[in-house]
Amino acid sequence: NAGVTQTPKFRILKIGQSMTLQCTQDMNHNYMYWYRQDPGMGLKLIYYSVGAGITDKGEVPNGYNVSRSTTEDFPLRLELAAPSQTSVYFCASSPLYSTDTQYFGPGTRLTVL
Amino acid sequence: AQSVAQPEDQVNVAEGNPLTVKCTYSVSGNPYLFWYVQYPNRGLQFLLKYITGDNLVKGSYGFEAEFNKSQTSFHLKKPSALVSDSALYFCAVRDGFKTIFGAGTRLFVKA
Repeated sequence: NAGVTQTPKFRILKIGQSMTLQCTQDMNHNYMYWYRQDPGMGLKLIYYSVGAGITDKGEVPNGYNVSRSTTEDFPLRLELAAPSQTSVYFCASSPLYSTDTQYFGPGTRLTVL
Repeated sequence: AQSVAQPEDQVNVAEGNPLTVKCTYSVSGNPYLFWYVQYPNRGLQFLLKYITGDNLVKGSYGFEAEFNKSQTSFHLKKPSALVSDSALYFCAVRDGFKTIFGAGTRLFVKA
């Protein structure tokens, strides 16, 4: 199993551009998550999904959109990129139960200039 | 709402000495507590979890954690630190579908 994969690894955007961060997991996990991690800070939840077709907002959803058309994929869309969105983005997944751990992807480092 | 707090931004320890990284929690109901580690330029990796049962939980890489209900704490420990343990450590609590992470504690192990 590859686990959780994210593309791209790095990206530089200009203000106002848009992009999609890709996330795929091959573990048949129901739950998927997007977090951002700012320098020296902990993780903030952007969006999460409990299954295909079901998504919900986390702590910091403004400026982002998500979709979950399949169990495997959970892309994160940035519209009208802003410097405040410069961060490292992590995708994670976990199985069905609340006692289960989360499995994290390697991250995407995004800079908005 | 569930929450965890990591009172120390940084912990410094000499190689071979025991280490402790502190975490306190605030939950309603049964606490599902976790420790994750993040090495530079990597995603978080699971270390150990407490669900129920024995208050001393053993995890990966020789780490263990002690659940203390009366002190609402879940401190991470290791008897003998290695330089390779230097990393960022996150305490976390499960809140329904979501996981709430602490701010993280940076561990420096000096040779």
